[in-house]
Amino acid sequence: ETGVTQTPRHLVMGMTNKKSLKCEQHLGHNAMYWYKQSAKKPLELMFVYNFKEQTENNSVPSRFSPECPNSSHLFLHLHTLQPEDSALYLCASSQDQQAQETQYFGPGTRLLVL
Amino acid sequence: KQEVTQIPAALSVPEGENLVLNCSFTDSAIYNLQWFRQDPGKGLTSLLLIQSSQREQTSGRLNASLDKSSGRSTLYIAASQPGDSATYLCAGPAREGGSEKLVFGKGMKLTVNP
Repeated sequence: ETGVTQTPRHLVMGMTNKKSLKCEQHLGHNAMYWYKQSAKKPLELMFVYNFKEQTENNSVPSRFSPECPNSSHLFLHLHTLQPEDSALYLCASSQDQQAQETQYFGPGTRLLVL
Repeated sequence: KQEVTQIPAALSVPEGENLVLNCSFTDSAIYNLQWFRQDPGKGLTSLLLIQSSQREQTSGRLNASLDKSSGRSTLYIAASQPGDSATYLCAGPAREGGSEKLVFGKGMKLTVNP
């Protein structure tokens, strides 16, 4: 058990829908991350929050909107997505936002956009 | 810009073999490298984090090495077991745009046959 949970585990949505992904960490960490994992491509960093402040937006389209109400919770709000956004979305956390810190990953949300 | 490569993309071996998984990186200023394991439909689990000041890091049957001069890291798995079947990813730090992040390889899918 990694201490990082994600809901839902699977999501199917149409291009006009609005949905949200939720991540919660029980590790007392200060940094949280959203990654996108597509088939045949490396894991792509999307957003980073450190002490609830967004510190990284890796040129992510505005149809993805992150929210971090506190250091234990991270959301990814989705609207008007495209089929190419279908992927596994992984949340992670680490003690601080430093690359030498081990990141702990959640199980991911498998998203299919029709 | 840091790029991380893992070759081959997949490997299938009989049980009991000793394995070497390769990871190469382009930025020799790397100060650590991490190895992760990903089981199907799940998130990533950190296996080993090796600092540039270390030559090797060991955990059970796993041994990771880091050679900055050659831009390579290897993950050695001794006496492989079917339970080792998973995708193995390596990741190194990169500093881009004033912030640090992990850059991942595409992963290597390992199948250990009983």
